[in-house]
Amino acid sequence: DADVTQTPRNRITKTGKRIMLECSQTKGHDRMYWYRQDPGLGLRLIYYSFDVKDINKGEISDGYSVSRQAQAKFSLSLESAIPNQTALYFCATSDPGYNTGELFFGEGSRLTVL
Amino acid sequence: GEDVEQSLFLSVREGDSSVINCTYTDSSSTYLYWYKQEPGAGLQLLTYIFSNMDMKQDQRLTVLLNKKDKHLSLRIADTQTGDSAIYFCAELYNQGGKLIFGQGTELSVKP
Repeated sequence: DADVTQTPRNRITKTGKRIMLECSQTKGHDRMYWYRQDPGLGLRLIYYSFDVKDINKGEISDGYSVSRQAQAKFSLSLESAIPNQTALYFCATSDPGYNTGELFFGEGSRLTVL
Repeated sequence: GEDVEQSLFLSVREGDSSVINCTYTDSSSTYLYWYKQEPGAGLQLLTYIFSNMDMKQDQRLTVLLNKKDKHLSLRIADTQTGDSAIYFCAELYNQGGKLIFGQGTELSVKP
């Protein structure tokens, strides 16, 4: 089983719909992140959380919200999806005890907004 | 500001060396990374270099760091078709412990 699991893996939705992408991890890491990947733009940070009570905005948080339900769970919501939110979304975790700062990624959730 | 830049595409022949380049802006970065993304998969750490090093070698991979020019490169010796992937450069941005990624370089290896 994957250490970082994202659901759903693929989703097609319509403009204006509310969408939630979920991430769960079995690595026991405190830090969790949501990135989006767009061709030619690389990965951009949406939100990150260093523990259950800590939520921080990343570079492109507008139009998104998050919830850290537990150490192991971090959800990303699009309250009213729009077509330019069509992208591949990645959840990642890290452990501050790893002094290299390495991130561990899920396999991605491909979202298409029509 | 925080910015990491890479060229988008590189094509090489099997058996040749590949060199993927990256520039970054945060001079206080402690770690710089190369991640690999295979088709349909997430990113996996390929290698990293600590900022007080100039070079790191790991089998077919050589990482060179020029701190003065804020330039990082990844050399893959004897490139194989299995090396075809997108390679991301990233820096550990000290303010907040975040990783900032480049745009990714798509490496295509032709037989």
